[in-house]
Amino acid sequence: DSGVTQTPKHLITATGQRVTLRCSPRSGDLSVYWYQQSLDQGLQFLIQYYNGEERAKGNILERFSAQQFPDLHSELNLSSLELGDSALYFCASSFGGGTEAFFGQGTRLTVV
Amino acid sequence: GESVGLHLPTLSVQEGDNSIINCAYSNSASDYFIWYKQESGKGPQFIIDIRSNMDKRQGQRVTVLLNKTVKHLSLQIAATQPGDSAVYFCAENESAGGTSYGKLTFGQGTILTVHP
Repeated sequence: DSGVTQTPKHLITATGQRVTLRCSPRSGDLSVYWYQQSLDQGLQFLIQYYNGEERAKGNILERFSAQQFPDLHSELNLSSLELGDSALYFCASSFGGGTEAFFGQGTRLTVV
Repeated sequence: GESVGLHLPTLSVQEGDNSIINCAYSNSASDYFIWYKQESGKGPQFIIDIRSNMDKRQGQRVTVLLNKTVKHLSLQIAATQPGDSAVYFCAENESAGGTSYGKLTFGQGTILTVHP
């Protein structure tokens, strides 16, 4: 158990809908990262927050947004969902940036 | 259109053998490298890391070698066990202006299968 908690584990939704994925980092970790893992793209970095502020951005679609709250948990919002958004979404946390990042178990999103 | 899945390199070894998994990284400015293991249905699990001021780092049954000249990273697993069967990813990180940002760029992964 990495100490990073993601909910829900599975999510099935229809195209055009909006979903929110939640992540609780390890106790004491200030950085939260979101990654997307799909069969054809592998593990892709989406976005990083550090102590509530956006710190780095990857190839995150405009339909996707994230935030980190004062208690350091984070949410990833995916809207206007398309079939191609079906993937595993992982959250990871670390104390700082550029240090060992621990991954959660992921949320499997299926868009039908 | 039809999506094409990644064709991951595979490595098959017998239990007890040593395994070597290779990774070529792309960013010469990367200064931190990590190996992750991902088992089916689970998130990536940290194995070992190395900073760019080192050439070699050893852990329990694992050794990471870094060759910055050719931008190559390898993971050696000693006495490989069936429980080591998984997908192994290398990841690189570039610290920006001295402030390390945690954006990891992952390699495509290698499937390791250990036969009893």
